[in-house]
Amino acid sequence: KAGVTQTPRYLIKTRGQQVTLSCSPISGHRSVSWYQQTPGQGLQFLFEYFSETQRNKGNFPGRFSGRQFSNSRSEMNVSTLELGDSALYLCASSLDSGGYQPQHFGDGTRLSIL
Amino acid sequence: AQTVTQSQPEMSVQEAETVTLSCTYDTSESDYYLFWYKQPPSRQMILVIRQEAYKQQNATENRFSVNFQKAAKSFSLKISDSQLGDAAMYFCAYRSGSDYKLSFGAGTTVTVRA
Repeated sequence: KAGVTQTPRYLIKTRGQQVTLSCSPISGHRSVSWYQQTPGQGLQFLFEYFSETQRNKGNFPGRFSGRQFSNSRSEMNVSTLELGDSALYLCASSLDSGGYQPQHFGDGTRLSIL
Repeated sequence: AQTVTQSQPEMSVQEAETVTLSCTYDTSESDYYLFWYKQPPSRQMILVIRQEAYKQQNATENRFSVNFQKAAKSFSLKISDSQLGDAAMYFCAYRSGSDYKLSFGAGTTVTVRA
């Protein structure tokens, strides 16, 4: 079974631009979560989607948004990029919304803002 | 918001020896789940072990075991018979039973000496 696939692996943008990251969950998984990982702040929860609905949202500004499609694939969009948005963005999927369900992570997208 | 604390930024262990990573968390909830994830240099996060708060029995997965002390809000990970492949950053994570948000600790980097 294929794992969680995130594209692209690396991305370089400049301040003020916007970016869209993509995540394809494991087949059959309906929950997709996004995390931002930085050396200073560690791993921070961005949001979670389940059956095309946003179920949870972390403490990030409105510039960060996402969506989930009917095939459970998810996209994350960041508008008006800032230098502080440079990070590794991780996507994780799980079978359903149960708390005990383990999350399966992708390799991440490394976003660099110049 | 729940806080997860990993007080050991780095730990070093001799191959075949045992190392214990500490994790404490702060919560007022009674229903929650605890996880240990491993992130090798290749950066894909992998689930190591998980524990449901209502279960008193400590979880075990091969060479990995936890010491779950609910009253003390402590969830330590023991790696027995350490192998070179165990070298990675280990994250302790808390998942709320109400909103299922996953909160991570800052991580502990484990180095295995040959």
